Amino acid sequence: EAGVAQSPRYKIIEKRQSVAFWCNPISGHATLYWYQQILGQGPKLLIQFQNNGVVDDSQLPKDRFSAERLKGVDSTLKIQPAKLEDSAVYLCASSLDPAGYNEQFFGPGTRLTVL
Amino acid sequence: DQQVKQNSPSLSVQEGRISILNCDYTNSMFDYFLWYKKYPAEGPTFLISISSIKDKNEDGRFTVFLNKSAKHLSLHIVPSQPGDSAVYFCAASAFQGAQKLVFGQGTRLTINP
Repeated sequence: EAGVAQSPRYKIIEKRQSVAFWCNPISGHATLYWYQQILGQGPKLLIQFQNNGVVDDSQLPKDRFSAERLKGVDSTLKIQPAKLEDSAVYLCASSLDPAGYNEQFFGPGTRLTVL
Repeated sequence: DQQVKQNSPSLSVQEGRISILNCDYTNSMFDYFLWYKKYPAEGPTFLISISSIKDKNEDGRFTVFLNKSAKHLSLHIVPSQPGDSAVYFCAASAFQGAQKLVFGQGTRLTINP
């Protein structure tokens, strides 16, 4: 079974530029998550999708971050414009069924450096 | 506010001995707890979990203990092996129909030969 795919793996941009990350979850997984992991901290949930609807985006900085999950499969996370404090690893995860406690499978992440 | 805390940033243990990683939480609504393991340049992988109705869950060399009154859980690895060297994250969830996980800061475990 293929795992969660993310691209790019690394990205370096200057502040005020825009950047987008892509995630392909495990086939058949209804729920998709985007996490931000700042160095020395644990992952922090940014947004959760169930199929193509948003379940929780309470911690997403909506003035600069946006995310979509078209057709309930792939997802993109965008930052526009980027700030220095956005430097982090952005992790995508997926789980089979939102009901109950299902294991979240994580992708390898995209390491973003904002200069 | 840091609802899940791992107060030890790092831990070094000799191969074959027991590794004990600790985690504290503040939110009494949490009813499910998980441990994830992370190698460099990879995403976290699920290791073991425990529901609040239990106080112990065991899976091979890994055991998780939950003390609800103290709002504390621990992960025991015995015997420790070099391949166990990784960052371990504690996570907690309150069933809200949305499976939102709150993670601790992580503990870097190093197993010395």
